[in-house]
Amino acid sequence: DAKTTQPDSMESTEGETVHLPCSHATISGNEYIYWYRQVPLQGPEYVTHGLQQNTTNSMAFLAIASDRKSSTLILPHVSLRDAAVYHCILRVGVQQGTGSKLSFGKGAKLTVSP
Amino acid sequence: GGIITQTPKFLIGQEGQKLTLKCQQNFNHDTMYWYRQDSGKGLRLIYYSITENDLQKGDLSEGYDASREKKSSFSLTVTSAQKNEMAVFLCASRDRGHERLFFGHGTKLSVL
Repeated sequence: DAKTTQPDSMESTEGETVHLPCSHATISGNEYIYWYRQVPLQGPEYVTHGLQQNTTNSMAFLAIASDRKSSTLILPHVSLRDAAVYHCILRVGVQQGTGSKLSFGKGAKLTVSP
Repeated sequence: GGIITQTPKFLIGQEGQKLTLKCQQNFNHDTMYWYRQDSGKGLRLIYYSITENDLQKGDLSEGYDASREKKSSFSLTVTSAQKNEMAVFLCASRDRGHERLFFGHGTKLSVL
């Protein structure tokens, strides 16, 4: 799987809109971009994923560059509960009946101040 | 909704001891995973299983055994605990055809 590059950390203030960047310059055409977040003492939690088009859900907006070499997870109006480590990972779409090795890097630690 | 339960939450062992960690999921998911997370680092895949009685090695399988005797459970054994070892072991599951992983809260291991 292609690797991703994220900043080690980012800081924000409650109410701000946060842009978390992820670089994946060697992404393959069949690789999806996934975002998970992890708070202390818990396992990662799924946030969103996309292939080519921007996507949005109740948690975040995922903006994918037209060349797919980078993406940005946008968190609108962050609160203290959004403080977490955010992981950007790539994965080939899963075929029926097959497992997959899904690897996580260190991620980007988002700090939210009151 | 379902849940993934890992037991125990905290595990303290002695050097050289064999230690077993358990994971149960009631999602009826096919694939289950064991990851290790060291402080300030990413998750490293130890073993995964795509169905009952299946085992696949991850990037960090040396020093570990795993067992998937039932679809709902996946256990991990540290074959010989290393002195001063400290890590969190995370279990996850995924449904066939979907990429979204669901994680348990982890088992924190400390070796004296």
